[in-house]
Amino acid sequence: AQTVTQSQPEMSVQEAETVTLSCTYDTSESDYYLFWYKQPPSRQMILVIRQEAYKQQNATENRFSVNFQKAAKSFSLKISDSQLGDAAMYFCAYRRSQGGSEKLVFGKGTKLTVNP
Amino acid sequence: NAGVMQNPRHLVRRRGQEARLRCSPMKGHSHVYWYRQLPEEGLKFMVYLQKENIIDESGMPKERFSAEFPKEGPSILRIQQVVRGDSAAYFCASSWDRATYEQYFGPGTRLTVT
Repeated sequence: AQTVTQSQPEMSVQEAETVTLSCTYDTSESDYYLFWYKQPPSRQMILVIRQEAYKQQNATENRFSVNFQKAAKSFSLKISDSQLGDAAMYFCAYRRSQGGSEKLVFGKGTKLTVNP
Repeated sequence: NAGVMQNPRHLVRRRGQEARLRCSPMKGHSHVYWYRQLPEEGLKFMVYLQKENIIDESGMPKERFSAEFPKEGPSILRIQQVVRGDSAAYFCASSWDRATYEQYFGPGTRLTVT
């Protein structure tokens, strides 16, 4: 079974600084998707960024970028120029690309605090 | 285009009562997923449904829980004879088709069992 591990229960960053959230996963599949979701206090799950495993290029969305290391099964999220609105729980998630269920497997999350 | 709708947003039930959670997927989406989030935990998959079919229910507890997604109307997650341990946030997500990687989440239903 696939598993996702987020080893940092909490992180903090100063406003305008950069922070990196860690995620590792375990799978025997070669083709899959990885995601970072943000969950603010409203509890709404918001997709931040996704990465297709077959793509070597790291995904980027404005201030958010990932460092995808397929061989190491590592998928970290970098937030640049942190803003107060970035404060939230961040969840790493995995989904196999085809066959069987397309369910998302989530890590336990990292609580990010942004200090003014 | 309205997003995924869930109601109620908050539901309080006494032990032994039934809880019914509703999910209306995004327009045009025919695939629905239910996830449960216990306090201080990530989301855990419960069940994946397509219109009138259960595709994967590997995350559903064997007893008291059931789900449906009828041809017309919202998807329903039903919990019979609720216990305190059922208190959690229940999220619904929908997607266009099976291959689409992105699932769009609703705002969740927070169930409290007293």
